[in-house]
Amino acid sequence: DAGVIQSPRHEVTEMGQEVTLRCKPISGHDYLFWYRQTMMRGLELLIYFNNNVPIDDSGMPEDRFSAKMPNASFSTLKIQPSEPRDSAVYFCASSLKGLVVYEQYFGPGTRLTVT
Amino acid sequence: AQSVTQLDSQVPVFEEAPVELRCNYSSSVSVYLFWYVQYPNQGLQLLLKYLSGSTLVKGINGFEAEFNKSQTSFHLRKPSVHISDTAEYFCAVTPPAGGGNKLTFGTGTQLKVEL
Repeated sequence: DAGVIQSPRHEVTEMGQEVTLRCKPISGHDYLFWYRQTMMRGLELLIYFNNNVPIDDSGMPEDRFSAKMPNASFSTLKIQPSEPRDSAVYFCASSLKGLVVYEQYFGPGTRLTVT
Repeated sequence: AQSVTQLDSQVPVFEEAPVELRCNYSSSVSVYLFWYVQYPNQGLQLLLKYLSGSTLVKGINGFEAEFNKSQTSFHLRKPSVHISDTAEYFCAVTPPAGGGNKLTFGTGTQLKVEL
């Protein structure tokens, strides 16, 4: 399998613009997670889905952020309008239950820079 | 709720020397424990996990970790490090049930191996 695929790998945009990050989870995985990583706050869980349904979005910073999972093979994280403080690396991860526990597999991340 | 503390933000070590990266956790319920590694400009990879049984668990790349319930610790060790081990290491916990085993991460420890 190709692993979790994220696009774009790098995004540079101006403040106020809309940004859409994309994720293709590993086929057959039933959970999908979106994380944000910054130097100041470390790795934060933003939202996660189970079978395409959002389960917990308590980590989404504010209404400017939204996430969707229209089907089992695709998810988006949208920021509208973007602000410089949104600059971070955004990771997508998917998971499948092993014998005992779900194991998360991470994508390579999207490095977002908002100027 | 769970929390994870990684006491050392950076650990410099010479090649072929032993290393220990510390992780302490707090939880009102039993947890599963994980160590992930993040190489520069990449996503996180699972190094090892503790679910139950033997408190000493072995992972990839010669790493091992020991679960100590009384001290609520899960320290990561390697007897002899290599330059290629330079990376950021994250400790994480999850409760056994529910949420697809949603992970709570520590703030990470940057391991820098020097010649």
